[in-house]
Amino acid sequence: GNSVTQMEGPVTLSEEAFLTINCTYTATGYPSLFWYVQYPGEGLQLLLKATKADDKGSNKGFEATYRKETTSFHLEKGSVQVSDSAVYFCAPASPGGYQKVTFGTGTKLQVIP
Amino acid sequence: EAEVAQSPRYKITEKSQAVAFWCDPISGHATLYWYRQILGQGPELLVQFQDESVVDDSQLPKDRFSAERLKGVDSTLKIQPAELGDSAMYLCASSLGGVQAETQYFGPGTRLLVL
Repeated sequence: GNSVTQMEGPVTLSEEAFLTINCTYTATGYPSLFWYVQYPGEGLQLLLKATKADDKGSNKGFEATYRKETTSFHLEKGSVQVSDSAVYFCAPASPGGYQKVTFGTGTKLQVIP
Repeated sequence: EAEVAQSPRYKITEKSQAVAFWCDPISGHATLYWYRQILGQGPELLVQFQDESVVDDSQLPKDRFSAERLKGVDSTLKIQPAELGDSAMYLCASSLGGVQAETQYFGPGTRLLVL
């Protein structure tokens, strides 16, 4: 099955700093790749996704590029805000048949003013 | 905006007791997932339904856990008997049809504490 290694947290940044959260995965074939986010007191929600090599997913200023050659899907944002404080989960989904998503351990981001 | 509903939000029980969690997915979503999330870890799939059929329960501890989705709509996850190690957040999610690159929509979860 799939596995995913995610950058350990917590990550503490000042407002307007650049963010990178690393994510690498192992999978057979070509999985779809997701980033989910969990804001304090809320359920998980989709942040962005990419479905094939070199695709770039983007949303709310966040971006991640599907890198097949390095099996990575790093999350980036050029200027973080306090409201971005949350836990971020990298999640590859197995190709073929019914989709099965494997979640990383999560990276907690805290943005301070 | 449609949401996945779960109840209860919190549950405290003693070990060896039975507990049950309920989930109502977004209307029209054929696929329903139950996950367990231990503090500090990512969600782990327990069981996946397509309509009323189980398509993956490989990680479900079947000696004590059971799940059903009788009419292909809402679902119940049961633990009997509960053990201390079952303390976790239990998440329900749903999606349209379980196909590739499909977004899962999560409920707020049920936090279980076993004493």
